Amino acid sequence: SAVISQKPSRDICQRGTSLTIQCQVDSQVTMMFWYRQQPGQSLTLIATANQGSEATYESGFVIDKFPISRPNLTFSTLTVSNMSPEDSSIYLCSGVRGGTETQYFGPGTRLLVL
Amino acid sequence: DAKTTQPPSMDCAEGRAANLPCNHSTISGNEYVYWYRQIHSQGPQYIIHGLKNNETNEMASLIITEDRKSSTLILPHATLRDTAVYYCIVRVASNNAGNMLTFGGGTRLMVKP
Repeated sequence: SAVISQKPSRDICQRGTSLTIQCQVDSQVTMMFWYRQQPGQSLTLIATANQGSEATYESGFVIDKFPISRPNLTFSTLTVSNMSPEDSSIYLCSGVRGGTETQYFGPGTRLLVL
Repeated sequence: DAKTTQPPSMDCAEGRAANLPCNHSTISGNEYVYWYRQIHSQGPQYIIHGLKNNETNEMASLIITEDRKSSTLILPHATLRDTAVYYCIVRVASNNAGNMLTFGGGTRLMVKP
C-alpha cells in the first residue's frame, strides 16, 4: 500500500483563524485528493490537488476557503481559512497509487474549532 | 460513479463469517467494485477490489454476481478488531482526472463477543 502521512494529527483552533494541514505521500502516488468527514458522516471530496497548478474543487468548496497547494508530486497542503465551528471535521489526504490505480488514505487530521 | 446500496448496520458474532452485501445495479462494464473500511478515528483502509471474477486476499473475499449487479464482502472469521464502517464503491480503475472514490453511507459492522 502507499504510505501517506499527515500533520498535524489533531488540533484545536479558535474561530477566525486558519490551519494548514500537510500531507506527504510516497513516490508511487500519482493523483492526490483532499476529503472532509464531518462528525457522524461519510467522506466528502473537497478537491483534487494538481501538481504545480490550481486544485480542482468540488461543488460547495471554494479556493478562498480551502486553498490547496501541491508543489511537487509527493507533497500537498490544505488550508482551512477563517475557521468557524462548522469546520470541525476530520480532513483526510488521499492518493492513487500508479500502476494499481488503487486509492489510499492518510490517517486524517481531526480539527475542532471553538 | 454508479450508486451503491448497503444496509446501514449489521451485527456478527466473533469467529463467525461476516457477509456484507452491496447492490450496484447500474454498474458499467468498465467499473470495478472496491471495498474499504474505516475503523473509528482512522482513515479508510483499502480491503479488496474486483471486476467480475471472485477475488480473495489476506483480509477478505469478494463475491460478485454473474450479472455484476451485486456483490458480497466476506470476512471469514470476524474478530472484534473488524468492527468498522464498510464502504462498497464502484469506480473505473484508471488514473484519469475526476476518477476519485465517492463514498456512500456504508455498513456499520459490529462484531460482538
